[in-house]
Amino acid sequence: DTGVSQDPRHKITKRGQNVTFRCDPISEHNRLYWYRQTLGQGPEFLTYFQNEAQLEKSRLLSDRFSAERPKGSFSTLEIQRTEQGDSAMYLCASSYEGEGTEAFFGQGTRLTVV
Amino acid sequence: AQKVTQAQTEISVVEKEDVTLDCVYETRDTTYYLFWYKQPPSGELVFLIRRNSFDEQNEISGRYSWNFQKSTSSFNFTITASQVVDSAVYFCALMPQSYNFNKFYFGSGTKLNVKP
Repeated sequence: DTGVSQDPRHKITKRGQNVTFRCDPISEHNRLYWYRQTLGQGPEFLTYFQNEAQLEKSRLLSDRFSAERPKGSFSTLEIQRTEQGDSAMYLCASSYEGEGTEAFFGQGTRLTVV
Repeated sequence: AQKVTQAQTEISVVEKEDVTLDCVYETRDTTYYLFWYKQPPSGELVFLIRRNSFDEQNEISGRYSWNFQKSTSSFNFTITASQVVDSAVYFCALMPQSYNFNKFYFGSGTKLNVKP
């Protein structure tokens, strides 16, 4: 397995446009996470999937954000009506089920809203 | 509150020097895990080490070692004989077990520059 992959790696969009990011986790992992990382900060939790069920969402995830994981495989994160404050690195991670298991992260999608 | 503090924003060392990265955490959970991740310029976070709250034994793994002290809520990470390839941002992370999934709380990171 080649690890967690994310697409695109970079996205520049105009304010007000919608964007969608894709994450392909490690195939055996049933847990999938999205994190957001702004410049000079550590990643912050956005949302979590166990298979296809979205079980937890952070208050950071406004109603302009939506995430899906159809069939418990890949996941998409959509941001509607982007704002400049959405500019960040969006990281996807996956893990096995189990207490304290480490997560494997993708290389992220860097979003710039102009 | 769940919080991780990495007071060192940036550290510069010369190759072959030892370097210690500091991490202080806050949690009310009695069961938790602590992690160190490395983020090279390519962007992905790479898992380095994990320690659970019931195991304060400090270990060495290759050039990496860690010092976990519950009494001071610290989880420091040391790289021995640093190499240029160690240059990256290092994140300490807390995973409390009060959630039904593995949620990370990351510190703000320490950028390590290893000069030849």
